[in-house]
Amino acid sequence: DTAVSQTPKYLVTQMGNDKSIKCEQNLGHDTMYWYKQDSKKFLKIMFSYNNKELIINETVPNRFSPKSPDKAHLNLHINSLELGDSAVYFCASSFTSGITDTQYFGPGTRLTVL
Amino acid sequence: ILNVEQSPQSLHVQEGDSTNFTCSFPSSNFYALHWYRWETAKSPEALFVMTLNGDEKKKGRISATLNTKEGYSYLYIKGSQPEDSATYLCAFKYSGAGSYQLTFGKGTKLSVIP
Repeated sequence: DTAVSQTPKYLVTQMGNDKSIKCEQNLGHDTMYWYKQDSKKFLKIMFSYNNKELIINETVPNRFSPKSPDKAHLNLHINSLELGDSAVYFCASSFTSGITDTQYFGPGTRLTVL
Repeated sequence: ILNVEQSPQSLHVQEGDSTNFTCSFPSSNFYALHWYRWETAKSPEALFVMTLNGDEKKKGRISATLNTKEGYSYLYIKGSQPEDSATYLCAFKYSGAGSYQLTFGKGTKLSVIP
């Protein structure tokens, strides 16, 4: 039973396209996140979403937008893809957004923009 | 900018050796420190959450200590086994934009040689 799942696992697309990555968690958590693993291998927070409250990392371009149809899903939409968007994107969830809450990660989606 | 530094970047040890590595983080506005274990081709998995100065946590052969006054945490592995091979990430929990967020270090990649 996968706790946090992402689809697709790999995504190869052309520059300028619009694409989405889906994330689902079956843990009953209230908070979900998107991270980007950059070229230096750091995991950097992009968004957190808790009870319809979206917290955005100010460095994330507005071409990126999270969409949450319900508490168990947080999808990532990317418009007008650029070469620099190539990275591995990880979804995560936690019970709440509290200090000690452990985050559970999905397997990652490797996005390649050509 | 919150810097979380981990050292060494990579480490090779013989099976049976004990080892340790370091995570350095800002000592002001400390909320919590999280340790994650990330095996290749898998998702990061939580090991420990530490909040109090002097805290020590243990899980099998792996333990961690915390010094919030000087801003460091050590992770120890006793009698390393090949299955311990993974990247060990620490993450500093901070308060930003109205919620708690994690900022990750780059990790220490441990390879245990049989």
